[in-house]
Amino acid sequence: QSALTQPPSASGSPGQSVTISCTGTSSDVGAYNHVSWYQQHPGKAPKLMIYEVSERPSGVPDRFSGSKSGNTASLTVSGVQTEDEADYYCSSYAGNSVIFGGGTRLTVL
Amino acid sequence: EVQLVESGGALVKPGGSLRLSCAASGFTVSNVYMTWVRQAPGKGLEWVGRIESKTVGGRIHYAAPVRDRFTISGDNSKNTLYLQMNSLKAEDTAVYYCTTYDYGGPFYWGQGTLVTVSS
Repeated sequence: QSALTQPPSASGSPGQSVTISCTGTSSDVGAYNHVSWYQQHPGKAPKLMIYEVSERPSGVPDRFSGSKSGNTASLTVSGVQTEDEADYYCSSYAGNSVIFGGGTRLTVL
Repeated sequence: EVQLVESGGALVKPGGSLRLSCAASGFTVSNVYMTWVRQAPGKGLEWVGRIESKTVGGRIHYAAPVRDRFTISGDNSKNTLYLQMNSLKAEDTAVYYCTTYDYGGPFYWGQGTLVTVSS
């Protein structure tokens, strides 16, 4: 399977909303609600931010939200903060495997 | 509290072997699904494989690039997950993460361990 498609970069000023897209196919993103989003700061392990398209694990700020329409999932950061500057990856269940997106670097201007 | 601690990363020559360990605490490894994910330097995340919980049969699935070279296993007595890597190639150079698996994807992550394949 091919990687999910994410824009390489996104940016926003503090307080603005930023949305990152993640496009797959009818065999992965479009077929299941098992889409997750991960945040990774330089030199650190990824951290789960969203699972099951729109669920937030305990401790994740509610400014992070997720949605899905057809074969495309989205992560929105409402009121972006400087500490949100990081790489973000989406993933999708694909039967007996997991597919990741190529990652999006979020820059807070 | 769920904790995952990987170890075993090292510099190894092409064609060599290495075994990574992932010591778990806060849960029982054999009762959950677990995965290995890797990240080559400066690159994105790549799924390596998944082992299902023993309660549903413990089946194991691998990504195509590592199938027939890598083996995932677990030790109940040590509550530890392993990744045995054989016939290593330069393109296997990466940080390897062990994760729990839930809701169709990696959930809790370890800190990772670096494997470098070079002569």
